[in-house]
Amino acid sequence: ELKVEQNPLFLSMQEGKNYTIYCNYSTTSDRLYWYRQDPGKSLESLFVLLSNGAVKQEGRLMASLDTKARLSTLHITAAVHDLSATYFCAVVYTGNQFYFGTGTSLTVIP
Amino acid sequence: DTEVTQTPKHLVMGMTNKKSLKCEQHMGHRAMYWYKQKAKKPPELMFVYSYEKLSINESVPSRFSPECPNSSLLNLHLHALQPEDSALYLCASSQAPGNSGNTIYFGEGSWLTVV
Repeated sequence: ELKVEQNPLFLSMQEGKNYTIYCNYSTTSDRLYWYRQDPGKSLESLFVLLSNGAVKQEGRLMASLDTKARLSTLHITAAVHDLSATYFCAVVYTGNQFYFGTGTSLTVIP
Repeated sequence: DTEVTQTPKHLVMGMTNKKSLKCEQHMGHRAMYWYKQKAKKPPELMFVYSYEKLSINESVPSRFSPECPNSSLLNLHLHALQPEDSALYLCASSQAPGNSGNTIYFGEGSWLTVV
């Protein structure tokens, strides 16, 4: 059974600080995705990581993938309030089955 | 255009009603998906269509019946639902299955309440 786990589940962080969200998955996959979801909204694609060692950056967010460790990280640099949302990682299984992690609810406070 | 359009945005239905959720994309994607999302939970995969054929059914109860009339449209027919089926139903699409680097694009979702 494929398991995709994130930690922490809840994260309250101060503006200007740095934090990392972790995504562990149980089955071999060479693709990992990060999505953002605002309350009451749909999912917005943030990053697609396609290979071991892949690193992608957009603004204050940076994602990386270690396929050997089955681990992806989402690093937040100098957090701002606009980053408050729920972040999901998703792993592809058998071609086109996307399975989502447990989610991390992020709140950035002044 | 990276848009997946879902209708209706909100639906309230009784347990004896029959209703449908609709999804449309014009990105030329050949894989389409239905996900169910409960509050504060991750989306759960329900169905996958590849080239208009049902390829994955994640043991979804038969009161949910998917249909893919053509490569741009995906429906979810609802009948005899239970209150616990109340959730956000998300439609999504991606390029042809198996293509490396596919991003899955989500619609805005349909909020379903079963009373």
